[in-house]
Amino acid sequence: GQQLNQSPQSMFIQEGEDVSMNCTSSSIFNTWLWYKQDPGEGPVLLIALYKAGELTSNGRLTAQFGITRKDSFLNISASIPSDVGIYFCAGQTSGSRLTFGEGTQLTVNP
Amino acid sequence: DVKVTQSSRYLVKRTGEKVFLECVQDMDHENMFWYRQDPGLGLRLIYFSYDVKMKEKGDIPEGYSVSREKKERFSLILESASTNQTSMYLCASKRGGDADSAFFGQGTRLTVV
Repeated sequence: GQQLNQSPQSMFIQEGEDVSMNCTSSSIFNTWLWYKQDPGEGPVLLIALYKAGELTSNGRLTAQFGITRKDSFLNISASIPSDVGIYFCAGQTSGSRLTFGEGTQLTVNP
Repeated sequence: DVKVTQSSRYLVKRTGEKVFLECVQDMDHENMFWYRQDPGLGLRLIYFSYDVKMKEKGDIPEGYSVSREKKERFSLILESASTNQTSMYLCASKRGGDADSAFFGQGTRLTVV
């Protein structure tokens, strides 16, 4: 199946720092989604991107849908301890099937 | 808000048992999905369904089957559980079409001993 390369695999940062993570693919996607998963819970949708070039913000989160439709990034500004978790990107082609990246484990030190 | 509910948070089953994982969504979504999540491998699609009684294999369907008799319910079946099926199982649902996002249940942590 299609594959997404998500990086970095893990990040250890200090509270207040900004964070950036990205996903790339050899395939074109129609939709890019970013999810966060807390320990022992299911992923929760953070941001959805539906157009190439789209830049969307949700509070301290900003995500962009790459112009080529093969990549996306997520930025978190001024990180706080509750930002800890696993962040997943997901790409969707027509037909509703989603492909997920391997996840970025974020640790925020107070 | 969309609610996707998985019947169990934690399950412990014996090797060879038949295991049913149930998922129910309350938003009349056409599409439902089962994923398994393992460390370092992200979420891998087992099966999905785009309508009642319709199903398609995902990337790792071996050892699993599914049932969708009603629109709101999507069941994952392990015909004969094995230890390599110990994992976190996640159900998701979404409306049909590209311009909608998938919503996840809380997950079922299955341990096969």
